[in-house]
Parts: sequence; C-alpha cells; structure tokens
Amino acid sequence: EPEVTQTPSHQVTQMGQEVILRCVPISNHLYFYWYRQILGQKVEFLVSFYNNEISEKSEIFDDQFSVERPDGSNFTLKIRSTKLEDSAMYFCASRVQGAGNTIYFGEGSWLTVV
Amino acid sequence: LAKTTQPISMDSYEGQEVNITCSHNNIATNDYITWYQQFPSQGPRFIIQGYKTKVTNEVASLFIPADRKSSTLSLPRVSLSDTAVYYCLVGDDGENDMRFGAGTRLTVKP
Repeated sequence: EPEVTQTPSHQVTQMGQEVILRCVPISNHLYFYWYRQILGQKVEFLVSFYNNEISEKSEIFDDQFSVERPDGSNFTLKIRSTKLEDSAMYFCASRVQGAGNTIYFGEGSWLTVV
Repeated sequence: LAKTTQPISMDSYEGQEVNITCSHNNIATNDYITWYQQFPSQGPRFIIQGYKTKVTNEVASLFIPADRKSSTLSLPRVSLSDTAVYYCLVGDDGENDMRFGAGTRLTVKP
C-alpha cells in the first residue's frame, strides 16, 4: 500500500538553527499538508499546499515557517530559526482529489529543540 | 470546515461495542464525515468515511442520521489495541483547511 514517508524520524537541533523536514507524499496525490503535535496535545494544522502554492495556513504558520515542493516528489517544511516551543512531532499528509476529506499521514518527524 | 464536538474521553472493556458520537451542527451539503484513529507517536490513520446513512468496513461502522448533524463511529468488540484517540473531521472534497478537533481518547480495559 502506498504511504507518505518522512525524514528524519527524529532530529535534535539547537535553538536558533534552521531545520528542514522532508516528506514524500503518495505519488498521485495533489494536496499536501503539514501538521504538528506537541506532546500530549491535539494535532494542529499548519499549512496546506496545492498546485505549487500555499492554499491555506493557520495562525501558527508564521514567517519562520516555509514550505516548498522543490521537485516532483518531495515536499519540505523549513523552520528558519527554531525556538524551544517548536519541539513537537511534525506530520506530513497528502490527499488525492475526489476522496472527500480522506488524508493520509506519514509517521512523523520528531523535532527536539534544545 | 464544519466545527465538530466529541466527548473528551471514553472507557470501555475488551469485547464490548463502543460508540463515539460527533456533533457537527453546521455541516454543509457537500461535506463528508471522516474518522481517524491515532496511536501515541504515530500519525492519524483513516478509519472510515461517509456522507449519509450507514457505512461499514472491516474495521468500523459509521452511522449518519438523515439530518447529518451528527455521526456515530461504532467499533465492534474492542480489544486493548483499540486504545487510541479518535478524531471526527467534516469537510468537502476541496477542503484545504483540514483542522482536527481535540478528539476522543478511548481507553479499553481488560
């Protein structure tokens, strides 16, 4: 069964450093998402991406965040200058058109900012 | 994206049927109702989706009344491994703002 893959599975970074989280969505999917989940809290929407541009973003997705689809397969989330409160699990997800609101999640990238 | 309301938590015992209800009073005509399951440290996983009446798959059943203002996820004969957080999501096919609510934390006891 096709799946969304994410790398790295776990990253430890120093406060102020830039981090890039990578995702390979399912190949025929057209809608891409990033979510985060702080330990013990709910899944929070960050951004959605369609047709090579951001289609929706939450209030969490401020200027320190950016997304990119640099080639036909990868979808990345960049955090420019990490803060302690960015420590969380980051999930990438993708969706095909015509499937209602069924989205498929990767296993996540656990980011620890120290 | 329609706002949803679910119970924060539920407890059950192995072998019982569990029903989790989600309220979505402002559901729109084109909205689907989708349920996800999340285990600790894993991404949410699609369980079932419906539009109206009843849908059943190998994992669960989804009951949707005629007014579609609520839906009930039914898990038959739960086991310990069904302990997870269950999320209800309501939105249409073109939804870009796919936000999850707090979900229902189901604990299955032996």
